[in-house]
Formats: sequence, structure tokens, C-alpha cells
Amino acid sequence: DTGVSQNPRHKITKRGQNVTFRCDPISEHNRLYWYRQTLGQGPEFLTYFQNEAQLEKSRLLSDRFSAERPKGSFSTLEIQRTEQGDSAMYLCASSERGGRGEQYFGPGTRLTVT
Amino acid sequence: AQSVTQLGSHVSVSEGALVLLRCNYSSSVPPYLFWYVQYPNQGLQLLLKYTSAATLVKGINGFEAEFKKSETSFHLTKPSAHMSDAAEYFCAVISGGSYIPTFGRGTSLIVHP
Repeated sequence: DTGVSQNPRHKITKRGQNVTFRCDPISEHNRLYWYRQTLGQGPEFLTYFQNEAQLEKSRLLSDRFSAERPKGSFSTLEIQRTEQGDSAMYLCASSERGGRGEQYFGPGTRLTVT
Repeated sequence: AQSVTQLGSHVSVSEGALVLLRCNYSSSVPPYLFWYVQYPNQGLQLLLKYTSAATLVKGINGFEAEFKKSETSFHLTKPSAHMSDAAEYFCAVISGGSYIPTFGRGTSLIVHP
């Protein structure tokens, strides 16, 4: 078990460009979560999947944000037409079915929009 | 609705001193409660969790927390701080049938030699 991995670890992009982040959860975990974390704040929930089904997406920050988990394994988070306000750490976490809510986090992808 | 309040954005202690990080929650039903630690440029790591069993919960690295329903609190303690404990600590709550946690704003623990 190698834990939750995220790629890339750092991304610098120009305003208006699209970016995509990848998350690989712990292999036996069927739930996968995306969060945004800004400086001095706790993680802010964005969306989550149970297997390939996206069960909650109303908290995605705008229609520029979308996420997929096509085969119930890895997931991608895409931000279209990036804005400077999108600069943040994007965290992925996974949890197992029947778990009591504890989540296992990846190291995050730090996005800087210039 | 669920929410978490962490009192004190920064807590400073001397090495060897008691660590106390405060967390109060709001939940309409019995909650699950968690403490996570985050080191610089890393993701969050679970320290401990309360899931309606024993009210005193022991976690990793010598940390423990006590669930007090009457005070709606879940404060984190450690008898003796170590330099390696310097990090950001987050309290989180899950209530009802949700699997979505609400995190507090975090408390930065500073440990002086």
C-alpha cells in the first residue's frame, strides 16, 4: 500500500489556461474526495465519488471545475479558464466502504495562477 | 448542520510542556470527530478519531482527545511537547449519514526549545 498519490505536486499556469490534476487513491478504497485548501484555512470540500459515481458535486466552486473517476480507480480534477483566485492547494483523499469517516490524504497539488 | 470552531489560530508552547488545542463542534446528531495533523507542504494525516465508543481517545505520537458531549468539545492534548510536534492541526466533524467532513480553520502549534 503506497498511500494516496497526486500528480503533479506543483503546477504553475497562466490565467485563462486549463489545468488537470490526477489522484490515485489507496487501491481498496471506494470513496474518493477532492478538497481545496487556501492559506490559513482548513480543507474545503469540493466533490466526492463512490466508485465511479459522483455523489456530491454541488460544492464545486463554479462550472469551471469538474471531476471524473471513469473506472472507479483514479480521478481527475479539471479547472478550465483558470483565474488567480484558483491558486491554492488541491487535496485528494480516499476512504474505505464501511469506514467510520476517516480519510487518507495525498500530498496535494499546489496550483499557482499567474 | 455541522460546524467546527478551533479556538486560537496559533498556540505556542515550550518543549516538554503540555499541549492543549481546543475544538468545539456543532452537530444535530451524535457526531464522528477527528483530529488531523498537517506538516508543511504535505497532506493531512489522521491523529485520532471518536466514533461513539470510549470518550477518551488515544492517537498516534502520544496525542489524545476527550469527547465531552455536555460541552460539545473534543480538545486535543499531549502531556509533553516535542519539537517534531510543530505543525498545523485540524479538527473535523462528520454527522448524520454524511461522509463529508467539515474542517476547522486549523491551529498552528509552535514549539520553542
